[in-house]
Amino acid sequence: EDKVVQSPLSLVVHEGDTVTLNCSYEVTNFRSLLWYKQEKKAPTFLFMLTSSGIEKKSGRLSSILDKKELFSILNITATQTGDSAVYLCAVAPNFGNEKLTFGTGTRLTIIP
Amino acid sequence: GAGVSQSPSNKVTEKGKDVELRCDPISGHTALYWYRQSLGQGLEFLIYFQGNSAPDKSGLPSDRFSAERTGGSVSTLTIQRTQQEDSAVYLCASSLLSGAKYFGPGTRLLVL
Repeated sequence: EDKVVQSPLSLVVHEGDTVTLNCSYEVTNFRSLLWYKQEKKAPTFLFMLTSSGIEKKSGRLSSILDKKELFSILNITATQTGDSAVYLCAVAPNFGNEKLTFGTGTRLTIIP
Repeated sequence: GAGVSQSPSNKVTEKGKDVELRCDPISGHTALYWYRQSLGQGLEFLIYFQGNSAPDKSGLPSDRFSAERTGGSVSTLTIQRTQQEDSAVYLCASSLLSGAKYFGPGTRLLVL
């Protein structure tokens, strides 16, 4: 059974801190890994990673994938209160099989 | 449209009643997905439509659940004879083939 594990389950930091969120996976087939931010109901797409070692960056957020060790990290620098959310990691299997397997998420709380 | 839209945003129903949830994907997206998220849980795959291919229904939890996608665009998820354990947020997503999945705002279903 495909499995995606995120850690930590929750994290509380002060505004301005840097955080690293982890996602490891054990899946039969792997094509890409996706990160989402979920504040209320709708997960908002952040990154899709398909190749090892290539960092994707968007403002204060960045992510990288290690396909040998089967994990990805999401970094957020200079955190702001608006970064408070649940961050979800998901893995997509083969091309043509688009059923995402999600982790249960990391709940990030930024204290002003 | 600019994003995935879903209706209704909230639905309260009595146990045993049927409900229909609607999803309007991003224009041009060929793939459409339904997920559900129970309180404190990760996203659970329900069903996936890709173009004119037969849908992947492997995530539907019982035969009370069904979905259709008319004209390759709008989709309706139907839950018959609702049970209290069906209470969850039902999320729809769409994508281009094998692209990033963009989620709608979800429908929060409460079965009393």
